[in-house]
Amino acid sequence: EIVLTQSPGTLSLSPGERAILSCRASQSVSSSYLAWYQQKPGQAPRLLIYGGSSRATGIPDRFSGSGSGTDFTLTISRLEPEDVAVYYCQQYGSSPEFTFGPGTKVDIK
Amino acid sequence: QVQLQESGPGLVKPSETLSLTCTVSDVSISSSYWSWIRQPPGKGLEWIGYIYYSGSTIYNPSLESRVTISVDTSKNQFSLKLSSVTAADTAVYYCARFLGWGKYYFDDWGQGTLVTVSS
Repeated sequence: EIVLTQSPGTLSLSPGERAILSCRASQSVSSSYLAWYQQKPGQAPRLLIYGGSSRATGIPDRFSGSGSGTDFTLTISRLEPEDVAVYYCQQYGSSPEFTFGPGTKVDIK
Repeated sequence: QVQLQESGPGLVKPSETLSLTCTVSDVSISSSYWSWIRQPPGKGLEWIGYIYYSGSTIYNPSLESRVTISVDTSKNQFSLKLSSVTAADTAVYYCARFLGWGKYYFDDWGQGTLVTVSS
C-alpha cells in the first residue's frame, strides 16, 4: 500500500503570498497518477490538478503542480481569500487502487 | 458537466446495512468508472471502491468484506451497500466519477450525503 503524507498540516499566509504544499509518497508514484483536490467547508472536493501538473478545467493559473517519484508539490502563486480550503493529494496504484493524503489546511492571516 | 446525486437514509442502526444510491445525469453510466468515497466528520477522504458499467468491481481491502457496489444501467444509477456498520462508519459518503484508461482521478463528485450510525 502506498501511503501519502502531506505537509505542513496547516499553512497560514497573507493574501498575495505564495503557498507551497507538499505530498510525499511511501513508494514511487507515476506523476501521471498524482492528483490534487481542493475542499472548501461543507463542499465536495474539487479536482485542481491531474497528471501531476495539468490544471483541471476552470482552475486559475495561480495553481500549479510539480514533482516526480515520491515528492510532489502544489503551489498557489498568489494566495486569494477564496483559496481558504483543505487540499488533498491522491494517487492511483495497486491495492488499494486509490489513496488520499491526510490534507493540508490553508488559512488566511 | 456530469451531475451525480447521492440518496439514501441518513441514519442507520449499528450492525445493520448502509444502503446508498448515486443517480448519474447528463452522461451515460457506461461511459466511465464510478466510485464511492467517504469522509468521517472532520477527517480525510477514504476510497471505498469502484464499479464499471459491466459490473466489474474493485474494493478497498480495508472494507472489502463488508462492501458491495452494484450498477443499474437502465436507471443510470449505481449503489453502495456496507454491512455490519458501527459508529466508525459515520461519514459523508460521496459518489464520484473517473474516466479510467490512464485517467485515474475524480473529475466529478456528488454533493455528498451524511450517514450517521446510531441506535
